Amino acid sequence: GAVVSQHPSWVICKSGTSVKIECRSLDFQATTMFWYRQFPKQSLMLMATSNEGSKATYEQGVEKDKFLINHASLTLSTLTVTSAHPEDSSFYICSAGRTGGSYEQYFGPGTRLTVT
Amino acid sequence: QKEVEQNSGPLSVPEGAIASLNCTYSDRGSQSFFWYRQYSGKSPELIMSIYSNGDKEDGRFTAQLNKASQYVSLLIRDSQPSDSATYLCAERPNFGNEKLTFGTGTRLTIIP
Repeated sequence: GAVVSQHPSWVICKSGTSVKIECRSLDFQATTMFWYRQFPKQSLMLMATSNEGSKATYEQGVEKDKFLINHASLTLSTLTVTSAHPEDSSFYICSAGRTGGSYEQYFGPGTRLTVT
Repeated sequence: QKEVEQNSGPLSVPEGAIASLNCTYSDRGSQSFFWYRQYSGKSPELIMSIYSNGDKEDGRFTAQLNKASQYVSLLIRDSQPSDSATYLCAERPNFGNEKLTFGTGTRLTIIP
């Protein structure tokens, strides 16, 4: 299979705090992982591309100092939402591309963030 | 700017019939195409990938690719109520590990 996990599945935090979301590829190595955000009834929006051992590449309009991405190993990428505000409340989803294979991308189950 | 276009729907199909979902793309150099299914409140799930012109079948699903017309489709045979979801078409320019360009999705409803 090609399983991607995310933790936590949901989180509620107070405004001004930081939240870390983990994305793991459980049964394959992923050189590249991607972070998306999706608001209700809207399309997926790519936030950044995360490459193992190097800096993430952020899409236009995404604040890299607010959304910190670390891809320390071939199976783990993390997204930290710093100084979260209510407008950051969203569904955050990661995907991972299988290295050395067909390069199909598999999505994690997502993390629902609510900032109060 | 690469674009992937889909009819947003909703597309309603009677149970047991064939559901046909269509997608066009603008980048002639695109090599890889994917169909994802997304249930409400859940993340996308890969259901089909296709790289060559022609048809690719997997169970009740058939993906069709026509690179000359820049057209990708997904057929779902014997539609079931559990097929009701949003279907996302995506393309990638080559076989590298690069980001996907997604369409906005087609909402499919199977009517019992």
